[in-house]
Amino acid sequence: SQQGEEDPQALSIQEGENATMNCSYKTSINNLQWYRQNSGRGLVHLILIRSNEREKHSGRLRVTLDTSKKSSSLLITASRAADTASYFCATDHAAGNKLTFGGGTRVLVKP
Amino acid sequence: NAGVTQTPKFRVLKTGQSMTLLCAQDMNHEYMYWYRQDPGMGLRLIHYSVGEGTTAKGEVPDGYNVSRLKKQNFLLGLESAAPSQTSVYFCASSSERVSGNQPQHFGDGTRLSIL
Repeated sequence: SQQGEEDPQALSIQEGENATMNCSYKTSINNLQWYRQNSGRGLVHLILIRSNEREKHSGRLRVTLDTSKKSSSLLITASRAADTASYFCATDHAAGNKLTFGGGTRVLVKP
Repeated sequence: NAGVTQTPKFRVLKTGQSMTLLCAQDMNHEYMYWYRQDPGMGLRLIHYSVGEGTTAKGEVPDGYNVSRLKKQNFLLGLESAAPSQTSVYFCASSSERVSGNQPQHFGDGTRLSIL
């Protein structure tokens, strides 16, 4: 079973709008990561947030983590057509050197 | 500035054939991983390595073997390909364990079809 689950599965917005996607997980983590995947390409790392952090920013990206609810959110502000991609959250397991990915959110930014 | 390079990029096999996927990284990373990605799903870990000469099973290891004879290379083998192994395969590397502060770096994938 997957550790992380993203919501929504797909999102369509206009350029300039904000995009928010959520990730829920099941067991305790050390960190949670967000990755972007453009069509036909590999995953690119966006942000890593540790379990003792609540919020992190990187450019137009804002990630929050609520360990009591076992959930995280990724906000993309002032979206651009180039932000069109699939976004995945990934969590580590307490035991073992394994990163578990959710099913992803497909984001379409219309110009 | 190569990062993680996967070869080949595309391959079509017949059921029962064998092949090896090659992953090479030039970042001197200790940790390397093989994942598969199926339509509409996230990545699932097949095998991984925590250093030269080591390998370990991931979530979906059956039907695959791996080897890490050199630190920079991680090979994924299919001994007898089955249609269920049709997928996109991604290799990744990292300088730290997943519980650390460093992310994984991914190649652009190998698209494999088994007929």
